[in-house]
Amino acid sequence: DGGITQSPKYLFRKEGQNVTLSCEQNLNHDAMYWYRQDPGQGLRLIYYSQIVNDFQKGDIAEGYSVSREKKESFPLTVTSAQKNPTAFYLCASRDSPAYSGNTIYFGEGSWLTVV
Amino acid sequence: RKEVEQDPGPFNVPEGATVAFNCTYSNSASQSFFWYRQDCRKEPKLLMSVYSSGNEDGRFTAQLNRASQYISLLIRDSKLSDSATYLCVVVRDGTASKLTFGTGTRLQVTL
Repeated sequence: DGGITQSPKYLFRKEGQNVTLSCEQNLNHDAMYWYRQDPGQGLRLIYYSQIVNDFQKGDIAEGYSVSREKKESFPLTVTSAQKNPTAFYLCASRDSPAYSGNTIYFGEGSWLTVV
Repeated sequence: RKEVEQDPGPFNVPEGATVAFNCTYSNSASQSFFWYRQDCRKEPKLLMSVYSSGNEDGRFTAQLNRASQYISLLIRDSKLSDSATYLCVVVRDGTASKLTFGTGTRLQVTL
């Protein structure tokens, strides 16, 4: 079945460590996104990518990095510079953003906790 | 002013009630609109797209008012299973395609 796979589902990080969250999609979508959601809060955009080898910062990019070397993959690295990384991270994808009606599909999310 | 604003609720309604949520957006260049449902500790899932002429899917009706820059979601005959957070999504496409989510409105349907 087509979809978006995020891994790991649960991750614990020690302070000062970098961690990478994986996001893979087999929907052949052009655009991919990373969001962060804190308890009781909405989704905030970290980074997004419209095509391979291109990505843009979202509203809260500081302390995060991404790459888009392949169409199907958009990993997110949470660096030690991110001071409050404990949150629920959601990856999403969407077919060509040129067509405004295209809907957004989400992975099941990754829970990151700093210990 | 936030790009997309929703009343966070919670809306507590009895089973069978009709409930409506609004979502306002600030950018008049916004082109596409969606309602998503998010259950506790789960990813958001598409509930319905919102079309200019309004659209209905069973007990759910979505409306768009471009002049006043808001979208609405009406749920009729509420079920216990409708309890969730409802997120509106506003899309601006173009060279900097961007999706903006509202903070969500929490609905609790009770017996």
